[in-house]
Amino acid sequence: DIQMTQSPSSLSASVGDRVTITCRASQSITIYLNWYQQKLGKAPKLLISAASSLQNGVPSRFSGSGSGTDFTLTISSLQPEDFATYYCQQTYSTPWTFGQGTKVEIK
Amino acid sequence: EVQLVESGGGLVKPGGSLRLSCAASGFTFNHAWMSWVRQAPGKGLEWVGRIKSKTSGGTTDYATPVKGRFIISRDDSKNTLYLQMNSLKTEDTAVYSCTWATGTTLAFEIWGQGTMVTVSS
Repeated sequence: DIQMTQSPSSLSASVGDRVTITCRASQSITIYLNWYQQKLGKAPKLLISAASSLQNGVPSRFSGSGSGTDFTLTISSLQPEDFATYYCQQTYSTPWTFGQGTKVEIK
Repeated sequence: EVQLVESGGGLVKPGGSLRLSCAASGFTFNHAWMSWVRQAPGKGLEWVGRIKSKTSGGTTDYATPVKGRFIISRDDSKNTLYLQMNSLKTEDTAVYSCTWATGTTLAFEIWGQGTMVTVSS
């Protein structure tokens, strides 16, 4: 199975901060990497697919990059509504796997 | 409106069985690759398994912890996805959600609201 490791597991940041979350795959997954945002009690929301393709309606302050084994999700200027948990996911090969999540909290 | 609605959750004893359903609407279900994802209380997301569309072979794949115990199936005439869960363990306690995998990288663009399964004696 491909292991997905996110770092950090949690972070505290202020509104307006630039935030970067990394996701590392245990083997190459080319660009088969998706990012989700989950708020408490809600279903996850797809933010980015194929490592860097922003979904319709997702603010442009979110961006994704990377290929192979190393990926990043960047929020250029953190907004109050961005406080949530973020997950990466590989769909390169089954079993598809998620990272353990990164909780973004208010500083 | 594209929608997925799960049902069938509840309380079951260890070793028991349960079948979840996911009713789909607003998209061409018979062309869709569908997945189940679960989330234990206070924990992260865990992929359970996937079924391809019949035109892609209709095959299934499962996560290691559920392989041999869970079965995913679909009834395209009813636009419904199923998850048959057998030999349930306490560690299967979670909210189970169905998802529609779309696009080049089969990202989960659409999610249901989930149904809670509690395995306890």
